Amino acid sequence: RKEVEQDPGPFNVPEGATVAFNCTYSNSASQSFFWYRQDCRKEPKLLMSVYSSGNEDGRFTAQLNRASQYISLLIRDSKLSDSATYLCVVNNNAGKSTFGDGTTLTVKP
Amino acid sequence: DVKVTQSSRYLVKRTGEKVFLECVQDMDHENMFWYRQDPGLGLRLIYFSYDVKMKEKGDIPEGYSVSREKKERFSLILESASTNQTSMYLCASSLTSGGQETQYFGPGTRLLVL
Repeated sequence: RKEVEQDPGPFNVPEGATVAFNCTYSNSASQSFFWYRQDCRKEPKLLMSVYSSGNEDGRFTAQLNRASQYISLLIRDSKLSDSATYLCVVNNNAGKSTFGDGTTLTVKP
Repeated sequence: DVKVTQSSRYLVKRTGEKVFLECVQDMDHENMFWYRQDPGLGLRLIYFSYDVKMKEKGDIPEGYSVSREKKERFSLILESASTNQTSMYLCASSLTSGGQETQYFGPGTRLLVL
């Protein structure tokens, strides 16, 4: 079993749709959590950190459920520019990051 | 803005060649990382470094070595390149250890080993 598992995708949604991605992690001692975005043939870039209380940044909402060991990302009112691969990242307390394989989102007109 | 640069965007090498991939960051970050990214396998950590002259093995260190002689520079070395090392190599840096830090990635080097 992988340490970090994501929805396999791909997700193909129309503009304006709401889409949610889930990610589960196996190490209960994991300390911090992130969502990264990776555009085709580009490097990953931080989208948002994920906090226990949940956090929102515009159309994006991230949630963490430590008891069930999963994190989620919700995108509202999808735009064409949201098309990308979304990577779930889990850090242990030594700063080592484990990446999920990514979920590909395509937003269509 | 944090800037992480990698010496080459594309590289073609022959089996058995020694390959050097260089990474430089300009924000005085303590931590530096080398990953490879392959379709269906995601990002996998090869080596990382918390300080000058320090290195730690990641999940897939076999066939690779690293060097960190200066804080801003972290080199990945393929001693004898093989075709299964054809991949996208990504360097990253973060400010400190402790688990909370965001990683900043370089643009990547696409290596093809023939």
